[in-house]
Amino acid sequence: GAGVSQSPRYKVTKRGQDVALRCDPISGHVSLYWYRQALGQGPEFLTYFNYEAQQDKSGLPNDRFSAERPEGSISTLTIQRTEQRDSAMYRCASSLEEPSGGAYEQYFGPGTRLTVT
Amino acid sequence: AQSVTQLGSHVSVSEGALVLLRCNYSSSVPPYLFWYVQYPNQGLQLLLKYTTGATLVKGINGFEAEFKKSETSFHLTKPSAHMSDAAEYFCAVSLSGGYQKVTFGTGTKLQVIP
Repeated sequence: GAGVSQSPRYKVTKRGQDVALRCDPISGHVSLYWYRQALGQGPEFLTYFNYEAQQDKSGLPNDRFSAERPEGSISTLTIQRTEQRDSAMYRCASSLEEPSGGAYEQYFGPGTRLTVT
Repeated sequence: AQSVTQLGSHVSVSEGALVLLRCNYSSSVPPYLFWYVQYPNQGLQLLLKYTTGATLVKGINGFEAEFKKSETSFHLTKPSAHMSDAAEYFCAVSLSGGYQKVTFGTGTKLQVIP
């Protein structure tokens, strides 16, 4: 079946503009995660949804960043008033939720490369 | 809280040689441990994971890793490197018990020399 898809794959925007990054998870996956990956670094957790509920947003760097998943499927990560330091690869992942005590594999999308000029 | 340290941002091995990628973790409770691989222009793919039970975990593409609690390590090995193994490898940790966010290491780029 289809994997996690993200769009756009590349986004160049000017400082101060808002951007919206889209993630389409694997069908049937109830958990969805957003990560940011700077060059030479591992993915850094931003936020997590179970169905449409945002369970953890502790990784969002500031209030310019927000995410939603209104129908429990597609998710959008929005960055308002972009700054150059926001330039990074933004990755989305989804997983089947398992009962407590299990560890679940996250399936990653190809990412959106954001460049703020 | 948890953290991961990957020793060596770049590792080079000859084709056919042993691959050893090092990962040490810090965790306040029993951890879940993962290795992911990232090929150029692709998303991360799970190689293997340790949750409970057998400490030697076998994954895809001939890779395996051993959980050593006494050494807080989860090193990734493969007996014989193949050219197709050239990629970036990430070790990751989460705390056990329900949802816990995953913390990734900084990655190790593996180069395989023909």
